[in-house]
This record gives sequence, structure tokens and C-alpha cells, in this order.
Amino acid sequence: SYVLTQPPSVSVAPGETARMTCGGDNIESKSVHWYQQRPGQAPELVVYDDSARPSGVPARLSGSNSGNTATLTISGVEAGDEADYYCQVWDNTNDLVLFGGGTKLTVL
Amino acid sequence: EVQLVESGGGLVKPGGSLRLSCTASGFSLSIYSMVWVRQAPGKGLEWVSFVSSTNSHKYYADSGKGRFTISRDNAKNSLYLEMNNLRVDDTAMYFCARDPGGGSFSRYFNLWGRGTLVSVSS
Repeated sequence: SYVLTQPPSVSVAPGETARMTCGGDNIESKSVHWYQQRPGQAPELVVYDDSARPSGVPARLSGSNSGNTATLTISGVEAGDEADYYCQVWDNTNDLVLFGGGTKLTVL
Repeated sequence: EVQLVESGGGLVKPGGSLRLSCTASGFSLSIYSMVWVRQAPGKGLEWVSFVSSTNSHKYYADSGKGRFTISRDNAKNSLYLEMNNLRVDDTAMYFCARDPGGGSFSRYFNLWGRGTLVSVSS
């Protein structure tokens, strides 16, 4: 079955750029969606369809998808960006929803 | 206010049953596909089940096939998850979430509830 692979953790200093990856076989053929989950809260959609942002999500957050890797990029990282980030796709072959294991973003 | 509110969680013994509810307010649930997603303590998100707006498509993760049943009552603006033969590894926070696609599937989820906690322990 299809597998999404995310690094467990990423650490950056405030003001720097954080890049969180989501790996999958030929993932560029799928639409990738990203969720932010702050401690004790429900997940929140931050990027959908690879690179679109819901209203209210700042332009500092952006997404891309190419080859076997999708990437969520956060520019000018702030303390409030510290959270877990999950990628998600729909497996058309098996009609199921897949989440990556999640990446914990730590702001140093 | 547009929101989803889950209820029905609690402590249950292995082999027991629970029925989770997800009630929508501020919008009509009937036009949206919905999912249940769970999160074990300290772990990541795990999709549980999907139901289309028309009830014509229902999908389940392998972990719940044969034990979990998703349903909806559009008149009550509510979504349900019937869970039978519960196991210790079903212990998790259970979230409901909305697919914004209306009559079609967007296959992502833009509105989430705050979750209801299910604990399975003897």
C-alpha cells in the first residue's frame, strides 16, 4: 500500500525558513494536503491541492510537489509556528485517506 | 458559528461498544462528505472512515473494518461512528472533519471538531 514518509522533527531559529518534506512514490501524481496541529488542539488545514492556501493562512506558508517529494515551506518562522505538521493524500487505488507520520517543528 | 462538536467518548472495557456522535452547527451537514480521524496518545493522525454526502460511498481503514460503522442523520445534522469489539489499541482522541467538496469529493478536510476521547482498558 502507499506510504507517506515525513521526518520526525525539524528545528529552525526564528526568522529562518523551515522546510518539511513528505515523501511518496511518484507523489507528484497526487494532490497533497497539509495540516498544522498545535499541542492540545485539533488539526487545521494550511495547504491543499499541493500549493493552495485556505483563507486566513499567511503567505509565509507555501507548498510544492515534484517527483517523489512534497514540501511545506514556512518562511520567516515565528514562535507560533511551533506545531506538528502532517501531509495527507487520497489513495485512489484503495479508496482510503493516508496521513504521513508527522513532523514536529521546533522554533529554537 | 460554523463548528463540529464530537461526543460519546469514554472509558470502555475491551470487547465493549461505543457510539460517537458529531453534530454540526452553522451549516448543513447534508451536502458534505465527512470523515472520522483518530489520534492515539502521543501519536500521529490515523484516518478511520469516510462517508459521502449522499451516503452512497463508505470507506474504512483496515483497523476498523468489520468493527466500525459510519452513518449520518442529515435531519439531525449529525454524523456517527458505531464502534464494536473495541480493543486497547483503539484508545485515541477521535475527530470528525468535513470535506468541503459539496456534492463531489475534495479529498481534504477544512473543518475539524475538537475531538472526543475513547479509552479502552480493563
